[in-house]
Amino acid sequence: EADIYQTPRYLVIGTGKKITLECSQTMGHDKMYWYQQDPGMELHLIHYSYGVNSTEKGDLSSESTVSRIRTEHFPLTLESARPSHTSQYLCASSEGASREQFFGPGTRLTVL
Amino acid sequence: GIQVEQSPPDLILQEGANSTLRCNFSDSVNNLQWFHQNPWGQLINLFYIPSGTKQNGRLSATTVATERYSLLYISSSQTTDSGVYFCAVGFNFGNEKLTFGTGTRLTIIP
Repeated sequence: EADIYQTPRYLVIGTGKKITLECSQTMGHDKMYWYQQDPGMELHLIHYSYGVNSTEKGDLSSESTVSRIRTEHFPLTLESARPSHTSQYLCASSEGASREQFFGPGTRLTVL
Repeated sequence: GIQVEQSPPDLILQEGANSTLRCNFSDSVNNLQWFHQNPWGQLINLFYIPSGTKQNGRLSATTVATERYSLLYISSSQTTDSGVYFCAVGFNFGNEKLTFGTGTRLTIIP
């Protein structure tokens, strides 16, 4: 089972601020993912990465950007937060031979 | 893209009851996972089950890939089983993106 960490767990910020949501995993998994979930709704994939220096956009369009400079680290950045970005963001990872994904605890973002 | 439908959307049961949750999907898959989302939003892995049957304590799951459905069985429900149960499927080789269903909200009453 993977150990995946997300910080912060909760974030309340004002419109226009730049924010970075952190995601780290300690299992050496090559694939990592970011999902967005509105309250009471299903998760939607917004970004994924096959490995270092590899990033792709997911099925749901997002104004956020990601980077993958180290295997264990997959941060998500919003350059200018807006109230429409209010949501929960969940990070996941999987190892190449197994398709099973493991999720972090999530970050609940509120933009005022 | 692939469609994932879960039923029922809501389920309220007395403690001790058994339940069956269903997940239908519209295309062949090579990944199917069941998750439990607790009240704090954490997704807990229950089963990785693209085909066949698995059991873990009071929970078991069966996926019939040829008929494009999966079932999650919960026996002797406890209040801690409350939450939202998600089915997620993937069918892309190489990137393993998951498409989630809309979930079943289970409420167990003491």
